[in-house]
Amino acid sequence: EAGVTQFPSHSVIEKGQTVTLRCDPISGHDNLYWYRRVMGKEIKFLLHFVKESKQDESGMPNNRFLAERTGGTYSTLKVQPAELEDSGVYFCASSLVGAKAEAFFGQGTRLTVV
Amino acid sequence: QKEVEQDPGPLSVPEGAIVSLNCTYSNSAFQYFMWYRQYSRKGPELLMYTYSSGNKEDGRFTAQVDKSSKYISLFIRDSQPSDSATYLCAMSGQAGTALIFGKGTTLSVSS
Repeated sequence: EAGVTQFPSHSVIEKGQTVTLRCDPISGHDNLYWYRRVMGKEIKFLLHFVKESKQDESGMPNNRFLAERTGGTYSTLKVQPAELEDSGVYFCASSLVGAKAEAFFGQGTRLTVV
Repeated sequence: QKEVEQDPGPLSVPEGAIVSLNCTYSNSAFQYFMWYRQYSRKGPELLMYTYSSGNKEDGRFTAQVDKSSKYISLFIRDSQPSDSATYLCAMSGQAGTALIFGKGTTLSVSS
């Protein structure tokens, strides 16, 4: 069974540009999460989807970040316009809904804004 | 005060040693506790998932949760060089909700 897949694995963009990250969750996982780790800090929650609905977006840093999950399958996270402080590793995770909600993570997208 | 505190290490042990990794937390609402292992440039890999207090064992790994002390531990027996990684604790109040992570402890096991 395929795990959580993220694209691209690494992205380098200039300040002010737009970047779109993609996450393909494990098949059948209705929960999908985005997390971010900036250098020297802990992994922090950004957003939680249940199917196509945003369940919790309390961790989104500002309105330059837009997450979508059309059709309740894969998700995209767009950063527009990117700022230097957006640099970090963006992780996607997915889980089943219910008590057995173990979250499985993708390999992450390393975003560098220069 | 951070919600989850974890000593970043680094922690260096010889092969075969017993390793103890720990996290403390402040939010008494946390009920679900996880340990992840992360190799360099990889995503976190789920090792242990426990609910409420008690112990859980899986091979060489044992997870302990003491809710009264707000303290969780991961023990690794007979440590191997392949265990060298960063170990992250994570927790949440309800199943499937946002995880709160510690900063991670870097472990190095030498042969």
